[in-house]
Amino acid sequence: AQSVAQPEDQVNVAEGNPLTVKCTYSVSGNPYLFWYVQYPNRGLQFLLKYITGDNLVKGSYGFEAEFNKSQTSFHLKKPSALVSDSALYFCAVRDPRSYGGSQGNLIFGKGTKLSVKP
Amino acid sequence: NAGVTQTPKFRVLKTGQSMTLLCAQDMNHEYMYWYRQDPGMGLRLIHYSVGEGTTAKGEVPDGYNVSRLKKQNFLLGLESAAPSQTSVYFCASSYFSTGELFFGEGSRLTVL
Repeated sequence: AQSVAQPEDQVNVAEGNPLTVKCTYSVSGNPYLFWYVQYPNRGLQFLLKYITGDNLVKGSYGFEAEFNKSQTSFHLKKPSALVSDSALYFCAVRDPRSYGGSQGNLIFGKGTKLSVKP
Repeated sequence: NAGVTQTPKFRVLKTGQSMTLLCAQDMNHEYMYWYRQDPGMGLRLIHYSVGEGTTAKGEVPDGYNVSRLKKQNFLLGLESAAPSQTSVYFCASSYFSTGELFFGEGSRLTVL
């Protein structure tokens, strides 16, 4: 069964430092991978996705993510964190072999709370 | 564009009461989804729809029903609310089955 894991419940970073939010997945074949961000009392917003191609994907707000097939990881990164980046971050995976059926739907991780201190 | 709009944003129910959450999207998306978000559990798919007139069960469908009579609307119903259904509910839509999801602002439901 496909699954996604975010091993850290919370990540604390000082403003200006680089940040990494970890995500590992388990799915047969080549996955579709996504990162979403949720600010307090808001819905989730799409940050970036990996379908195929370059392993380094650039997204919104200066975020990027690196797809590593051998380690089955898709870590979210940013070179210099901002206080305004503080939010809940979700990794999600979709098995591309199935479309429309439940197997084709996104599976979300449990989320990682990012706290950036001034 | 309004995107994905959910109503109501807040609701308090007593056990056994019924209610309907409405989701409307103005992006002409084919796919629509209802998720629930609970602390420490991420988002779990309740029901989804791949087009007008079609619905299907997700990961946690028990106690919920849905309807998609119009392409732009996706309704989530609770026939007999239970305290375990206290949660924040999110509606989402996407154009392609493999595309990114666009989420509403959420509906916070408390069942006493």
